[in-house]
Amino acid sequence: DTEVTQTPKHLVMGMTNKKSLKCEQHMGHRAMYWYKQKAKKPPELMFVYSYEKLSINESVPSRFSPECPNSSLLNLHLHALQPEDSALYLCASSDRISPEQYFGPGTRLTVT
Amino acid sequence: EDQVTQSPEALRLQEGESSSLNCSYTVSGLRGLFWYRQDPGKGPEFLFTLYSAGEEKEKERLKATLTKKESFLHITAPKPEDSATYLCAVHAWTSGSRLTFGEGTQLTVNP
Repeated sequence: DTEVTQTPKHLVMGMTNKKSLKCEQHMGHRAMYWYKQKAKKPPELMFVYSYEKLSINESVPSRFSPECPNSSLLNLHLHALQPEDSALYLCASSDRISPEQYFGPGTRLTVT
Repeated sequence: EDQVTQSPEALRLQEGESSSLNCSYTVSGLRGLFWYRQDPGKGPEFLFTLYSAGEEKEKERLKATLTKKESFLHITAPKPEDSATYLCAVHAWTSGSRLTFGEGTQLTVNP
């Protein structure tokens, strides 16, 4: 089952709200990723977790806070976002042995 | 710095009109080159991985090839459902878990 699920599909939040994005995979992958994608642009890497530990933070503002509760789950906590943070947020996973990344369907985030 | 350039930016084809998409790359030691398909508002769907020059992979109407400087995605007799953005990404030995993506080619196949 090569599937990564993400919830919610759509999220609208105000600049003072706190919300979370969730990602789940059951492929036994030990690396999980968060990407941000703006319209007509490629995905931009935000965070990488390897064996449930944060291994890469691409200088992402602290208003984005990742969390990896276990090997199958990945969360992205959002707080005090700006309108320019509106984008498609993608989760991906990969087996450490293979760099092939499998993406979820994404969460469309709109910050008002 | 790893770089990936895809061309053309956009391509319009008639159904059945075969063509190729290009992905040129410069990377400090290629570990793998990946092709993804992305439909509007959805996550990228993995298509192929190529590891070494001369390698070819096929899936239905798609065929990916790799040289030391570029990769081609050949589309044979495309159908309207092949319309999507095709993304190329490289993985370098020095980049850890990072993929470097190209800007993509937006393919439209008209019936």
